[in-house]
Amino acid sequence: DGGITQSPKYLFRKEGQNVTLSCEQNLNHDAMYWYRQDPGQGLRLIYYSQIVNDFQKGDIAEGYSVSREKKESFPLTVTSAQKNPTAFYLCASSRLAGGRFLYNEQFFGPGTRLTVL
Amino acid sequence: AQTVTQSQPEMSVQEAETVTLSCTYDTSESDYYLFWYKQPPSRQMILVIRQEAYKQQNATENRFSVNFQKAAKSFSLKISDSQLGDAAMYFCAYRSAPFTGANSKLTFGKGITLSVRP
Repeated sequence: DGGITQSPKYLFRKEGQNVTLSCEQNLNHDAMYWYRQDPGQGLRLIYYSQIVNDFQKGDIAEGYSVSREKKESFPLTVTSAQKNPTAFYLCASSRLAGGRFLYNEQFFGPGTRLTVL
Repeated sequence: AQTVTQSQPEMSVQEAETVTLSCTYDTSESDYYLFWYKQPPSRQMILVIRQEAYKQQNATENRFSVNFQKAAKSFSLKISDSQLGDAAMYFCAYRSAPFTGANSKLTFGKGITLSVRP
């Protein structure tokens, strides 16, 4: 089955620690995204990548880092510089448009719940 | 920058009835895409319906339809014959077109929690 996997489902972090959230897709999508979801805030974009070895900051990138060494993988590291990391994190992927009117749905993974102890 | 506003944090509907979820957006662009996503208690985001701004006809997917008013920048979702499985959080989202660079990202509203009464 094609899809997006995220691991772990639940993650606990002590203050001062860096943690890495995994995101893998087998949809052959070029673009991948990381969103953060907080109660009452909707989803906010952290980072996105449209091609291997390239990525751009989203709206709330401070305290986060990413890498894109493989097309299938887009791990997110939550660093100790992120002051309020407790949240639900969603990874998504999509194709890139080949034409102006080509539809490009974003597919989402099941998410990772990060809690700071 | 584009913004998406969902002003109703919660709504409730009786099973088998019809409910409309509201969404407004602000943009200076003339071409874009609009989406409704559903997030059930499992928290898996599911695409419900999409609308291309250049299309005047409102999109429909089975029991789900939209009322797209481009001049008013309004994009409401109508759920007909509501079912218990429709209970979820619903997000309205905006994306610029064409799909290049920063335009590839989705801008989400804060969501509406829909409950369905049996």
